[in-house]
Amino acid sequence: EVRLVESGGGLVQPGGSLRLSCAASGFTFNTYWMHWVRQAPGKGLFWVSRIDFDGSITTYADSVKGRFTISRDNAKNTLYLQMNNLRAEDTAVYYCGRAIMISGHNWLDPWGQGTLVTVSS
Amino acid sequence: QPVLTQPPSASASLGASVTLTCTLNSGYSNYKVDWYQQRPGKGPRFVMRVGTGGIVGSKGDGIPDRFSVLGSGLNRSLTIKNIQEDDESDYHCGSDHGYGTNFVYVFGIGTRVTVL
Repeated sequence: EVRLVESGGGLVQPGGSLRLSCAASGFTFNTYWMHWVRQAPGKGLFWVSRIDFDGSITTYADSVKGRFTISRDNAKNTLYLQMNNLRAEDTAVYYCGRAIMISGHNWLDPWGQGTLVTVSS
Repeated sequence: QPVLTQPPSASASLGASVTLTCTLNSGYSNYKVDWYQQRPGKGPRFVMRVGTGGIVGSKGDGIPDRFSVLGSGLNRSLTIKNIQEDDESDYHCGSDHGYGTNFVYVFGIGTRVTVL
């Protein structure tokens, strides 16, 4: 069974840092691009970042560029999101997703169950 | 980049049909859209991808035959026939845009479906 399990969320003060993890199983992790997507309470989905097979290509949404870093450890089948200088507007459930890419386009399947990040003093 | 417009809510009586719309903004009529189902408290689940020719590729794992899509002009719709209580969810449409450092994946606001 293909499975993604996020962890690492919690309560952090504005300006603080947090590292999220996404443990992958049931598929050959190092052959897939991976993404992070977040969902603020009561809001829609918002794409955050993506990473290629070996971590050499990374892309970020403008609102997190320079503050968040996506990475992966293929030996551990784990995806990460290092979040620094956190703001109240970063409060959200963070999901990881596996990218299915065909003809240069991609969608996410599957997704994890999410981990909640709350930024508040 | 594309903008995806979805109505915030929709409803249908048990056993009836409901069509959810996702409308692209002008200039993006050739874009494909991905539909995701999100049950309360759960992560999103891929439903299927749709272009102007209809479904692209296969449905997500376990998606019933009652779910179908149509694409025309700027509209990419998802229809649920014989709606069941289990279908009560938020439905999000999304689309990727650009390459390399200009890549972005955009979502609509999501439509909350209520089964009456």
